Amino acid sequence: NAGVTQTPKFQVLKTGQSMTLQCAQDMNHEYMSWYRQDPGMGLRLIHYSVGAGITDQGEVPNGYNVSRSTTEDFPLRLLSAAPSQTSVYFCASSYGGAQGGNTIYFGEGSWLTVV
Amino acid sequence: AQKITQTQPGMFVQEKEAVTLDCTYDTSDQSYGLFWYKQPSSGEMIFLIYQGSYDEQNATEGRYSLNFQKARKSANLVISASQLGDSAMYFCARGPNFGNEKLTFGTGTRLTIIP
Repeated sequence: NAGVTQTPKFQVLKTGQSMTLQCAQDMNHEYMSWYRQDPGMGLRLIHYSVGAGITDQGEVPNGYNVSRSTTEDFPLRLLSAAPSQTSVYFCASSYGGAQGGNTIYFGEGSWLTVV
Repeated sequence: AQKITQTQPGMFVQEKEAVTLDCTYDTSDQSYGLFWYKQPSSGEMIFLIYQGSYDEQNATEGRYSLNFQKARKSANLVISASQLGDSAMYFCARGPNFGNEKLTFGTGTRLTIIP
């Protein structure tokens, strides 16, 4: 998935620790999103952004914080990790509006385990 | 929440046969887009096909076609001449017709192709 870079790919956290999942794209996309994937649940939207300085909550925002200070970067912060946040996290980006069409670029995923 | 329903948790299909993966969706919007993604065991999300709600023709992409029945709110994926490499999880998703910052995913269907 060229263009959307997620780091780290794997992380183990202790309960109560905080961390940031990084997401960067070099395609000048307006729209960026974070999803989590749990077994049997499909992907669920955590937070999204339609441009620098603009963020909004998705379906499962509790325990996460985001900011969008630049077009390129959309970090996801876990404020105080809990075992329920053990999941695979995907970042996605696309052009906005009518230009968006059907092209969404996904990162390769970040596997997070909270013990 | 506007829900995506995939009623087949798992399917086994003989190689070279055609397979239909079911997807139904809730929506009160007139304008929306429907997506299918493939997720192999390596975990990445691979875009397969897209259908806009105003598209009159069913979408096709190589061996993939989307059987779109708008009145029934149904968007089934048809894979013709299945191959061993088609074994994967398949997700149906719905998004706004313009802009893809927030997709709603189904729970997925695990497809296994039998030689």
